Amino acid sequence: GDSVTQMEGPVTLSEEAFLTINCTYTATGYPSLFWYVQYPGEGLQLLLKATKADDKGSNKGFEATYRKETTSFHLEKGSVQVSDSAVYFCALIINTGNQFYFGTGTSLTVIP
Amino acid sequence: DAGITQSPRHKVTETGTPVTLRCHQTENHRYMYWYRQDPGHGLRLIHYSYGVKDTDKGEVSDGYSVSRSKTEDFLLTLESATSSQTSVYFCAIKGTGTGNTGELFFGEGSRLTVL
Repeated sequence: GDSVTQMEGPVTLSEEAFLTINCTYTATGYPSLFWYVQYPGEGLQLLLKATKADDKGSNKGFEATYRKETTSFHLEKGSVQVSDSAVYFCALIINTGNQFYFGTGTSLTVIP
Repeated sequence: DAGITQSPRHKVTETGTPVTLRCHQTENHRYMYWYRQDPGHGLRLIHYSYGVKDTDKGEVSDGYSVSRSKTEDFLLTLESATSSQTSVYFCAIKGTGTGNTGELFFGEGSRLTVL
């Protein structure tokens, strides 16, 4: 079936450190891939997305590249800030389907 | 802002009582979803709707029912609440991206505690 696996957390980084959160997927069809972010007490917000192989999604300094050969969509940021502290979710939807599949989330804490 | 409102935002109830959560949207989107969020499980789909009176089950639908009598409202009902249904419930709508690339927009969540 369709699923997403992302790295376990929590992750704690110092401000200005480099961030990678790994995400791999299994898909029965051709997926679109997403990263969502959830700040404390809020709903999820779309951070970035990619809809076809080799696409790079980017937003707010975050990037992720849709790698079909490795079935991955790893999230990266070159220099994290305290304000990036949140829970990050990787997700997919098959382009012929109606259901989104989410990873379990990775909690990030950035310390000054 | 995708115009999604969830109510109530917080509710405490007792085991065995019925509970209804409401999701209201203002942008006439076809697809609406109910998820629950629990530590260690991420988001799990309960039910979704693809139009008025058209609904389908998700992976954790047992103990839940839904109704969609008009486009803007999607109701989630716990007929007889249990402690295992203590959770944060999120409603979401699917945006109209090209093909099927429309992303989900989420409400702010409804925190339900079943004592």
